[in-house]
Amino acid sequence: FILTQPHSVSESPGKTVTITCTRSSGGIASTYVQWYQQRPGSAPTTVIYEDNQRPSGVPERFFGSIDSSSNSASLTISGLKAEDEADYYCQSFGPGVVFGGGTKLTVL
Amino acid sequence: QITLKESGPTLVEPTQTLTLTCTFSGFSLTTSGVGVAWIRQPPGKALEWLALIYWNDDRRYSPSLRSRLTIMKDTSENQVVLTMTNMDPVDTGTYFCARVLPSATLAYWGQGTLVTVSS
Repeated sequence: FILTQPHSVSESPGKTVTITCTRSSGGIASTYVQWYQQRPGSAPTTVIYEDNQRPSGVPERFFGSIDSSSNSASLTISGLKAEDEADYYCQSFGPGVVFGGGTKLTVL
Repeated sequence: QITLKESGPTLVEPTQTLTLTCTFSGFSLTTSGVGVAWIRQPPGKALEWLALIYWNDDRRYSPSLRSRLTIMKDTSENQVVLTMTNMDPVDTGTYFCARVLPSATLAYWGQGTLVTVSS
């Protein structure tokens, strides 16, 4: 299966943005979805794991969810800050690791 | 503290074989459910998963690159080695290794190593 993300999204500081990740086949809930943040020149870091869990140190502004009706996962970031500007990748499994194409978040 | 570090050549000639080593600490590849994956990223492009090896020696490969990849582990040295044959300039990019949890979360990543394929 493939995971499809929007190429880019943009929003103003303080606002809320949602990045979607649509699974092409198989149920979105059949395997966990993770979200990674990657800033330029750095390795990715986990912001959401197991669909909706936040690692320690990730602000509560980051929220993950899945929607079986649209077969998609979403990453919602509220109270946008300039430091949130980065590339975001969704990832799942079956039978190997599958990444989405990445979404560039611009905080205007 | 969990750390991973990639090492290998920075420059490879076309048609050569690339060998990369991921040296890790803070966890063991003998622990049930744990794995180590290799991921690459061409300049300015998206992440691409390459290969994954589990604690029980179960190995998974990207379908598109399967014929060129081999992943192996050395649990005594806490290392995972990836070989990729017949390198091409399109294989240029940063290569990362990452610890994989049972949930398939890539929980910890190395800093990455840039590999350039050029004659």
